Amino acid sequence: RKEVEQDPGPFNVPEGATVAFNCTYSNSASQSFFWYRQDCRKEPKLLMSVYSSGNEDGRFTAQLNRASQYISLLIRDSKLSDSATYLCVVSLSHPGNTPLVFGKGTRLSVIA
Amino acid sequence: EPEVTQTPSHQVTQMGQEVILRCVPISNHLYFYWYRQILGQKVEFLVSFYNNEISEKSEIFDDQFSVERPDGSNFTLKIRSTKLEDSAMYFCASSDNQGYNQPQHFGDGTRLSIL
Repeated sequence: RKEVEQDPGPFNVPEGATVAFNCTYSNSASQSFFWYRQDCRKEPKLLMSVYSSGNEDGRFTAQLNRASQYISLLIRDSKLSDSATYLCVVSLSHPGNTPLVFGKGTRLSVIA
Repeated sequence: EPEVTQTPSHQVTQMGQEVILRCVPISNHLYFYWYRQILGQKVEFLVSFYNNEISEKSEIFDDQFSVERPDGSNFTLKIRSTKLEDSAMYFCASSDNQGYNQPQHFGDGTRLSIL
């Protein structure tokens, strides 16, 4: 059973579109949750942490459902620069200084 | 903004040789990590390091691998007797131990190619 599963990609969307990514995790003991983005052949970069109450950062909104072990990321008003692979990431403990478990990622292409 | 730096950016080595990958974590961080990503696959945890010793390691991190913090700034990953399947991107990361949901910050990686 895969530890972190994500929507298969790629998602090809026009500029200005709203796009949603989903993720499920298998370990109910997971405590810390993140979305990272990864450009082609580059390092993962933190996009946002995900909190139980849900949180928003500009055009990005993350939600967490612990009961369903489900995490989502919503991107509004997509920009060309949003094209990347979005990685759903979990770890077991606060404050997040234990190994990160990565999903395989969902590739997003925003088209002009 | 402080960042994690890694050297070299690309390392080409003959199979069976030893390689050392170097990292300088963010200066006030206390936890250090190595991950790898084989081309087309997900990022995988190798090892974490705190207080001058290994905290956790994955099944990938076998006797072929070792880590060291030789001084106050560098954090190294050594791979002895490299194999073809060691070809991957190797990412160093560091994190602070304070605060809820404290993320790990990644360096831009070393691409290791084993011939």
